[in-house]
Amino acid sequence: IVVTQSPDPLAVSLGQRVTIDCKSSQSVLNSANNKNELAWYQQKPGQPPKLLIYWASTRESGVPDRFSGSGSGTDFTLTISSLQAEDVAVYYCQQYHLGSTFGQGTKVEIK
Amino acid sequence: QLVDSGGGLVQPGGSLRLSCAASGFRFSQYWMAWVRQAPGKGLEWVAQIKGDGSEKHYGDSVMGRFTISRDNAKNSLSLQMNSLSAEDTAVYYCARDATRGGDFDFWGQGTLVTVSS
Repeated sequence: IVVTQSPDPLAVSLGQRVTIDCKSSQSVLNSANNKNELAWYQQKPGQPPKLLIYWASTRESGVPDRFSGSGSGTDFTLTISSLQAEDVAVYYCQQYHLGSTFGQGTKVEIK
Repeated sequence: QLVDSGGGLVQPGGSLRLSCAASGFRFSQYWMAWVRQAPGKGLEWVAQIKGDGSEKHYGDSVMGRFTISRDNAKNSLSLQMNSLSAEDTAVYYCARDATRGGDFDFWGQGTLVTVSS
């Protein structure tokens, strides 16, 4: 499965909404449990990735609620409702429905 | 906690063994994985191993050259890398599968492997 993110990069003003799209080449819906097997990660320079969202829309424990995920099947979105300075990072989506594939990443910068 | 080690400079065609020391959780109950990141590039899944070691999966780019293994008695994960080429230059992270199908909830800090003459 090929996973494609857009846009890259993305420059947004502090306090504004950030939307990152992720599209998979085939559905990542697990029909056995009706879960979309897609995750979102945040990576800051010099750090390992940090899990933000799994099953497309479930926030990992401790992740601020300004981060949300949506979508189903092949089209997904990560939204940051109000960009904070500490959110500057590269964001990756990952499908884990068939093997594991990451998107190419979206760099979020301050405008 | 996951602590990666074993990276370094190796010549093309050479071999290297990476290790990951796990603590703070029941290591044997989790699938574990290696994920790599070439300098300035994105993430690439490399290999994954079941909690009891009975099942292993590899990415196409490393199949036949890399071997993932684990020692549950020592809470340790390893990656034996053979026939290395410049394309294998990357930071290698060990990661814990969250047991929800394949997302990774804990990551090591990474260890840099540089393949160069």
